[in-house]
Amino acid sequence: DAGVIQSPRHEVTEMGQEVTLRCKPISGHNSLFWYRQTMMRGLELLIYFNNNVPIDDSGMPEDRFSAKMPNASFSTLKIQPSEPRDSAVYFCASSFGGYTFGSGTRLTVV
Amino acid sequence: GNSVTQMEGPVTLSEEAFLTINCTYTATGYPSLFWYVQYPGEGLQLLLKATKADDKGSNKGFEATYRKETTSFHLEKGSVQVSDSAVYFCALGNTPLVFGKGTRLSVIA
Repeated sequence: DAGVIQSPRHEVTEMGQEVTLRCKPISGHNSLFWYRQTMMRGLELLIYFNNNVPIDDSGMPEDRFSAKMPNASFSTLKIQPSEPRDSAVYFCASSFGGYTFGSGTRLTVV
Repeated sequence: GNSVTQMEGPVTLSEEAFLTINCTYTATGYPSLFWYVQYPGEGLQLLLKATKADDKGSNKGFEATYRKETTSFHLEKGSVQVSDSAVYFCALGNTPLVFGKGTRLSVIA
């Protein structure tokens, strides 16, 4: 198994641009999580899905952030418009019991 | 709600030193407890876990015991190696996990 696959690994974009982060979970895992990691705030849960249905999006910082899971093998996290304070590493994790994390997307908004 | 507090880092140790990273938690009920490790440029990996009081999780020489009376799950290793340099996260719960802020460990030869 290739594990949880995230793309891109690095993204540099200008303020105001739309950014889309992608995640392919492990086949058979029924839960998917998006986390954001910064030095100041540590790991924050943004949203999670169970069987492709969003269960808790209370961690999504504001309306500029949206996440979708159209099927069991794909999820996106979109930021529109992006701002410099969105710069962070974004992790996707999937779970069927235990969690498996992807390698993350390092986002820099300039 | 559930929360985790772990010791501030960074922690710098010499090779073969004893390691303790403190973790305490606040929770309703008796959730499972976990330690995750993050190596540079990678995602988090499960290091060990304990699912009930007095359970001891262990892996790669690391150990942690689920202490209900002190609401703690401290991570220990008797002799650290340079390759143990990483960030360590305490976490609790089932779905979703709640993570501590992480403790950076640097081991020098």
